[in-house]
Amino acid sequence: DTEVTQTPKHLVMGMTNKKSLKCEQHMGHRAMYWYKQKAKKPPELMFVYSYEKLSINESVPSRFSPECPNSSLLNLHLHALQPEDSALYLCASSQPLRPRETQYFGPGTRLLVL
Amino acid sequence: KQEVTQIPAALSVPEGENLVLNCSFTDSAIYNLQWFRQDPGKGLTSLLLIQSSQREQTSGRLNASLDKSSGRSTLYIAASQPGDSATYLCAVSRETSGSRLTFGEGTQLTVNP
Repeated sequence: DTEVTQTPKHLVMGMTNKKSLKCEQHMGHRAMYWYKQKAKKPPELMFVYSYEKLSINESVPSRFSPECPNSSLLNLHLHALQPEDSALYLCASSQPLRPRETQYFGPGTRLLVL
Repeated sequence: KQEVTQIPAALSVPEGENLVLNCSFTDSAIYNLQWFRQDPGKGLTSLLLIQSSQREQTSGRLNASLDKSSGRSTLYIAASQPGDSATYLCAVSRETSGSRLTFGEGTQLTVNP
């Protein structure tokens, strides 16, 4: 099973709402990632968890709060977002420090902030 | 700061044609280079991964080469098919951490029947 699943597929939220994105993998990977992708642009790294600990935060605003409850799950909690945060949010996983192994991406959650 | 450039930004070819997509990067201290495919509104699918010590990788009709010293990679697609239509992204990871990928802007490929 080389699948990364993400829920929900689509999300519409107001600027005062609180919502969460969920990502799950059962490949035994110990590194998990959140990316943000705007239309016709490449993915931009937001956060990296390695062995369930936050290892990289690319200076992401605090209205985005990641959480890694266990080695298979990754959440992204959203609060007080802005319309410019509307984007495709991609989750990925891999084995840490394995140069031969790629990152496996989920299908993404398309977020619209009104 | 690593910068990755992909040329061309868009490409339209008739079915059956062989084609080459180009990727260049400014810092040769890379861990590996990967080519991904992305269909509209979907996630990324890994196509080929080349270690910094390797020169090329092949998978079916795809062949990727890497010239680390000159900061270039090419993705060769043989006998293109309409199903190959997608955006192709090149990404490099730094020597110090294989986790952080720097992506190019992508090449949007259309293969016409």
